Amino acid sequence: KAGVTQTPRYLIKTRGQQVTLSCSPISGHRSVSWYQQTPGQGLQFLFEYFSETQRNKGNFPGRFSGRQFSNSRSEMNVSTLELGDSALYLCASSLGQGPSGEQFFGPGTRLTVL
Amino acid sequence: ILNVEQSPQSLHVQEGDSTNFTCSFPSSNFYALHWYRWETAKSPEALFVMTLNGDEKKKGRISATLNTKEGYSYLYIKGSQPEDSATYLCAFISGGGADGLTFGKGTHLIIQP
Repeated sequence: KAGVTQTPRYLIKTRGQQVTLSCSPISGHRSVSWYQQTPGQGLQFLFEYFSETQRNKGNFPGRFSGRQFSNSRSEMNVSTLELGDSALYLCASSLGQGPSGEQFFGPGTRLTVL
Repeated sequence: ILNVEQSPQSLHVQEGDSTNFTCSFPSSNFYALHWYRWETAKSPEALFVMTLNGDEKKKGRISATLNTKEGYSYLYIKGSQPEDSATYLCAFISGGGADGLTFGKGTHLIIQP
């Protein structure tokens, strides 16, 4: 079974631009969660989508948004990029059986904001 | 804001030795605790999902225990091998799961041959 894939793997943007990251979950998984990893803060939960609906949301500003398509693929968008948005963005999929479900992580997208 | 603490931050262990480290989390409104292993240049990999007080789980040489009443979990590695070198993360979920997984900052384990 193919694992979670994320595209692109690396991205360089400048302040003020916007960016869209993509995540394809494991086949059959209906839940996709997004996380931000920075050296100072560690892994932080952004949001979770299940059946095309945002189910849970972390404590991030409205510049961070996402969506999920009918095939469970998910995109995350960050508008008006700031230097502090430079991070590794990970997505994880699970069967969707609630928050106790084991998460399967993708390789991440490394975003650098200049 | 939920506080999940892991200690120690980093650990050097001789190959063949056993080791353990701690994850502390709020003792109220517990739902589940996850453990993940994150090797350099790879993705985090799930080790255990624990939901019941007193749970003990084992996978090969790695095991974990859970005490939800006092808010801690231990991860044990028996007979450490170089391939055990990684960052070990715990993640706490409170009741309802609306905040998603709250991760600790991890214990960085280095096994010295």
